[in-house]
Amino acid sequence: GQQVMQIPQYQHVQEGEDFTTYCNSSTTLSNIQWYKQRPGGHPVFLIQLVKSGEVKKQKRLTFQFGEAKKNSSLHITATQTTDVGTYFCAVYNFNKFYFGSGTKLNVKP
Amino acid sequence: DAGVTQSPTHLIKTRGQQVTLRCSPKSGHDTVSWYQQALGQGPQFIFQYYEEEERQRGNFPDRFSGHQFPNYSSELNVNALLLGDSALYLCASRSSGGTLLTDTQYFGPGTRLTVL
Repeated sequence: GQQVMQIPQYQHVQEGEDFTTYCNSSTTLSNIQWYKQRPGGHPVFLIQLVKSGEVKKQKRLTFQFGEAKKNSSLHITATQTTDVGTYFCAVYNFNKFYFGSGTKLNVKP
Repeated sequence: DAGVTQSPTHLIKTRGQQVTLRCSPKSGHDTVSWYQQALGQGPQFIFQYYEEEERQRGNFPDRFSGHQFPNYSSELNVNALLLGDSALYLCASRSSGGTLLTDTQYFGPGTRLTVL
């Protein structure tokens, strides 16, 4: 099945520092979605990317889809304690969603 | 507009028992998927239901079965529980009428299953 590798597994940052998580696939992706899961919560949809080289922004979050549609990144500028959680990428293929293993972000105030 | 709801929130069972988890999709959604999320891992797709039939299935044994009702709600059944079945079970719903661009799925709060 579809596999997406996500790195890093963990990231500890000081509040105000930037954060980036990467999602990589060995095959070309038709789309990629990003989710955030707060501790003790459930995944919440953030965004979907479908076009090669696509860049989308949501306030301090910037999402990119690679030109070859094999990788994606989520970048958070000037992290805040409210950004704490695990960020997952997911791809939708043949009516199934395949999730990455996630990057757990901890922000120290 | 109610989102995805799941019941119960927590459940404790012993090995060999059977369990049924329930999910009501978001209003307007007709497709329900179930996921298993072990601690520290990403959600793993179990299966998807649409029009009361299982449409897609992940790499899970036959001990995992499901059902979808005419009102689009769904159940996940797990038989002969193993210790390794302990996990957060998530239900997600979406609309089959959406295009790829709107294939957003919405997750419920999950059921935390502990098998002793």
